[in-house]
Amino acid sequence: DAKTTQPTSMDCAEGRAANLPCNHSTISGNEYVYWYRQIHSQGPQYIIHGLKNNETNEMASLIITEDRKSSTLILPHATLRDTAVYYCIVRAKIIFGKGTRLHILP
Amino acid sequence: EAGVAQSPRYKIIEKRQSVAFWCNPISGHATLYWYQQILGQGPKLLIQFQNNGVVDDSQLPKDRFSAERLKGVDSTLKIQPAKLEDSAVYLCASSSRTGVIKNIQYFGAGTRLSVL
Repeated sequence: DAKTTQPTSMDCAEGRAANLPCNHSTISGNEYVYWYRQIHSQGPQYIIHGLKNNETNEMASLIITEDRKSSTLILPHATLRDTAVYYCIVRAKIIFGKGTRLHILP
Repeated sequence: EAGVAQSPRYKIIEKRQSVAFWCNPISGHATLYWYQQILGQGPKLLIQFQNNGVVDDSQLPKDRFSAERLKGVDSTLKIQPAKLEDSAVYLCASSSRTGVIKNIQYFGAGTRLSVL
């Protein structure tokens, strides 16, 4: 019960913005949205998290809809090194779904 | 700051043998997690420690898996006896106790186990 829905895979051209969607329609009022990514043969890596407001850090931006039922992770200028599986998680007890496999095309 | 250390990186054993994995979390992190990641799937939580106490082991197959964190720092995960379906990557993660940051987990590179 991952409580999130993500596309299985996505493609993005190198240098363009990668927009990864996540649906979390059953999110509770006090649950944060977390994003992690997992590059091949590595452990998952924390990217960003948010509650209600949009957030930005050195890695990415997180846009959360006003009703909090969905969010989008934005990688502003995707590079080949951003090729990974991206996981959206919305509960304190972190349960990973299958994530979105992002392919960056040269 | 050193990350989460795990060893070994790879292990190949035959079914019914025993195996142990070691994890050293980030210094000062009170919470430690062990995950199992089967090929093509997301990581599945096996056990969560808060200092040296178990917080959640609901998905740990206790008939063959055991874990300990005796001094509240490093941890060992053991499988005895191993089955073919235990072939997976075993990931260790740690997190701080402070506010929202307590839910941000930092992962090691994992141990890839192959059971033949």
